[in-house]
Amino acid sequence: AQSVTQPDIHITVSEGASLELRCNYSYGATPYLFWYVQSPGQGLQLLLKYFSGDTLVQGIKGFEAEFKRSQSSFNLRKPSVHWSDAAEYFCAVGDVSGSARQLTFGSGTQLTVLP
Amino acid sequence: DTGVSQNPRHKITKRGQNVTFRCDPISEHNRLYWYRQTLGQGPEFLTYFQNEAQLEKSRLLSDRFSAERPKGSFSTLEIQRTEQGDSAMYLCASSLGDARGSEQYFGPGTRLTVT
Repeated sequence: AQSVTQPDIHITVSEGASLELRCNYSYGATPYLFWYVQSPGQGLQLLLKYFSGDTLVQGIKGFEAEFKRSQSSFNLRKPSVHWSDAAEYFCAVGDVSGSARQLTFGSGTQLTVLP
Repeated sequence: DTGVSQNPRHKITKRGQNVTFRCDPISEHNRLYWYRQTLGQGPEFLTYFQNEAQLEKSRLLSDRFSAERPKGSFSTLEIQRTEQGDSAMYLCASSLGDARGSEQYFGPGTRLTVT
């Protein structure tokens, strides 16, 4: 069964600083990988996705993520964080082989942005 | 384009009562998913519909839970004889039924509190 690990429960960065959120996955083949963001009272918003091809994927709001098969990682990055980026971030893996294609999520990383 | 909508947004109920939640997916999406999210955790898959057929259920979905999607449009999730452990955010998502069906769009969720 697939699984996702987000090692950092909480990260604090200053506004304007760079950001990297870690995600490691366990899956038998090339997975579908996603990053979602959740703000208080809001649903999950898709930031970016990886299905195949170029291992560096660009998303919305200036985020990018790099798929590294050798490290089973899909880390999320942003060169300069804005105060509005404060939220909870979830990495997820999609089940390619099953018919349902349900997502398995990590436990999330809470991002705090200092002024 | 209206996104995924869920009603009610909040529900407080007493233990032992039945509750029902509704999800309206994006209109052209034929796949619909229910997830449950508890505090400090990522969403966990509950069940999945393709059109009106419920094709997969998680072991998390006890006999007290039932989901329907009549006519392949909106869906309802009913919890009978609620327990305090049912307190959680219930998220609905929808997607297109193609090879990239894992790209799911989430609603804002229904927060259930069982007292």
